[in-house]
Amino acid sequence: GQNIDQPTEMTATEGAIVQINCTYQTSGFNGLFWYQQHAGEAPTFLSYNVLDGLEEKGRFSSFLSRSKGYSYLLLKELQMKDSASYLCAVIDTGFQKLVFGTGTRLLVSP
Amino acid sequence: DVKVTQSSRYLVKRTGEKVFLECVQDMDHENMFWYRQDPGLGLRLIYFSYDVKMKEKGDIPEGYSVSREKKERFSLILESASTNQTSMYLCASSSGTGGMNEQFFGPGTRLTVL
Repeated sequence: GQNIDQPTEMTATEGAIVQINCTYQTSGFNGLFWYQQHAGEAPTFLSYNVLDGLEEKGRFSSFLSRSKGYSYLLLKELQMKDSASYLCAVIDTGFQKLVFGTGTRLLVSP
Repeated sequence: DVKVTQSSRYLVKRTGEKVFLECVQDMDHENMFWYRQDPGLGLRLIYFSYDVKMKEKGDIPEGYSVSREKKERFSLILESASTNQTSMYLCASSSGTGGMNEQFFGPGTRLTVL
């Protein structure tokens, strides 16, 4: 079966660091994506991991451990505009078919 | 910039009506996808297509059909709309068959079936 778990909601303060975890159990694995989605808008790409380790991109970093079926998205120096939902998605098979988690809603307060 | 457009942002239909949702992408992408997004359930794949006139069922195809007559256009059809199809519908496209080929999403169509 396919199962991707993320926390439903998290809160953090402006300027802080937050880590959003994602665990997955899928029949195959060909990469993991993180997307950001502001309310009422389309998801937009944040990061992609296919090998173990940390990928850094500005204030955002994403980590993957394939042996543990685990990823996290790290957001540093939080800004109010980072308030959004963060979607974890796994490419389950060889084709470009993504399996999404239910998303984590992040609320950043002043 | 990659652009994926959807025909309507908001749509209200009645039970039993036939509904067409249109999606157009301008980046010559091979792959196109239709998802629905519901609170607490996340994005779920309805259908996808990896080439013109080709289609594959996703995880929840019941009650839906699709059409891809041209590479840039992928249509989702609700043959007889029902209230449980009230949802946000998102179209996406991507290139290639492997590697880091992110999906680009359209703005979504919020469909209400009365």
